[in-house]
Amino acid sequence: QSVLTQPPSVSGAPGQRVAISCTGSSSDIGAGFDVHWYQQLPGATPKLLIYANSNRPSGVPDRFSGSRSGTSASLAITGLQAEDEADYYCQSYDNSLSGSVFGGGTKLTVL
Amino acid sequence: EVHLVESGGGLVQPGGSLRLSCSVSGFIFSSYWMSWVRQAPGKGLEWVANIREDGSEKYYVDSVKGRFTISRDNAKNSLYVQMNSLRVEDTAVYYCARVFWTAAGLYFDYWGQGTLVTVSS
Repeated sequence: QSVLTQPPSVSGAPGQRVAISCTGSSSDIGAGFDVHWYQQLPGATPKLLIYANSNRPSGVPDRFSGSRSGTSASLAITGLQAEDEADYYCQSYDNSLSGSVFGGGTKLTVL
Repeated sequence: EVHLVESGGGLVQPGGSLRLSCSVSGFIFSSYWMSWVRQAPGKGLEWVANIREDGSEKYYVDSVKGRFTISRDNAKNSLYVQMNSLRVEDTAVYYCARVFWTAAGLYFDYWGQGTLVTVSS
């Protein structure tokens, strides 16, 4: 069972907006640790999508945005495109583990 | 350009051992923490271990403590993980990843392509 909780799946039509939630606890997100998001296309390696809650690495379209509040975080994708179909993972840090924790992943289906 | 290339995966029997390697290029290896992250078939990502730039600090997920040892050779730009007493549940693709620290935690900014470890009799 993953430490961070994500919905197993979300879906949306091309052009629509979807949001993926990530819920943690007082030992990770709630303790003030940043949340990061990764995109894993089918059969590919995970790729950093959002770092430090809301920052996009170079090359990531501004259709992707992130936010964090309290013990939760959210990834929003606007103007959905077919190539956005992938698994999305949130990640944070747990000081008691001195290590990282991931969400279970959310499969995005573009209808 | 940053490159991370894992090797050493394969089929091993329960209780056996395996050593994975990750060869890196394109950045100053000795300036970064590094990690191993794994993904069981059809499952999500799981952080396995971290190692400090100079190897002086190492951290593990509870499920591998006492069985896995992360190490590095900065002269060879290489990261390793020695996996002993392997269990069926260790079956996964193992990724090496570069760590970037923020003021409030860390993230993995570059990943290798992964190497598959299968533990089965």
